[in-house]
Amino acid sequence: AQSVTQPDIHITVSEGASLELRCNYSYGATPYLFWYVQSPGQGLQLLLKYFSGDTLVQGIKGFEAEFKRSQSSFNLRKPSVHWSDAAEYFCSGGSNYKLTFGKGTLLTVNP
Amino acid sequence: DAGVIQSPRHEVTEMGQEVTLRCKPISGHNSLFWYRQTMMRGLELLIYFNNNVPIDDSGMPEDRFSAKMPNASFSTLKIQPSEPRDSAVYFCASNYNYGYTFGSGTRLTVV
Repeated sequence: AQSVTQPDIHITVSEGASLELRCNYSYGATPYLFWYVQSPGQGLQLLLKYFSGDTLVQGIKGFEAEFKRSQSSFNLRKPSVHWSDAAEYFCSGGSNYKLTFGKGTLLTVNP
Repeated sequence: DAGVIQSPRHEVTEMGQEVTLRCKPISGHNSLFWYRQTMMRGLELLIYFNNNVPIDDSGMPEDRFSAKMPNASFSTLKIQPSEPRDSAVYFCASNYNYGYTFGSGTRLTVV
């Protein structure tokens, strides 16, 4: 079955530290992959997406993600985290119109 | 562009009552999705419309749920009768060429 897994439920980092959020997918073919961010009481905002081509994708707010077919992963990274990055992050994938979401990773940023 | 607009933002209703959630997609987006978000189950796709036609409603939990899209600028999700287990945040999203945009959601509480 098609699925997206986010192994980390909650991650805490210090402001200014680097960040990596993990995402693994299980699809027959290379899916379309996305990262979304959700602040409390808000909808989901698209950070970046991967369809094909360059496996390193740049997104908004200084985020990037790397598609690794050999590891079935699409991890999200940021070199220096800001306090405003505290939110919940969702990885999702789709092979057609249907997006499957991971359970999310809650990011806490310590001052 | 005002984005995807959902109303109401919050709804509290008594068990057994009818609830109608509304969504206005982004103009020009030809696909519309209704999602439900709960702590236990995460984000679940309920129904997907393409060009105002329901394509996949396999995620609709039961017959108490129905959705319509009478035109390209409006969709409703109705629950009749509502039950406490329907309490969740309901998101509408519209899409054009895999550029999914989510609304801010409707937080439904059924007491």
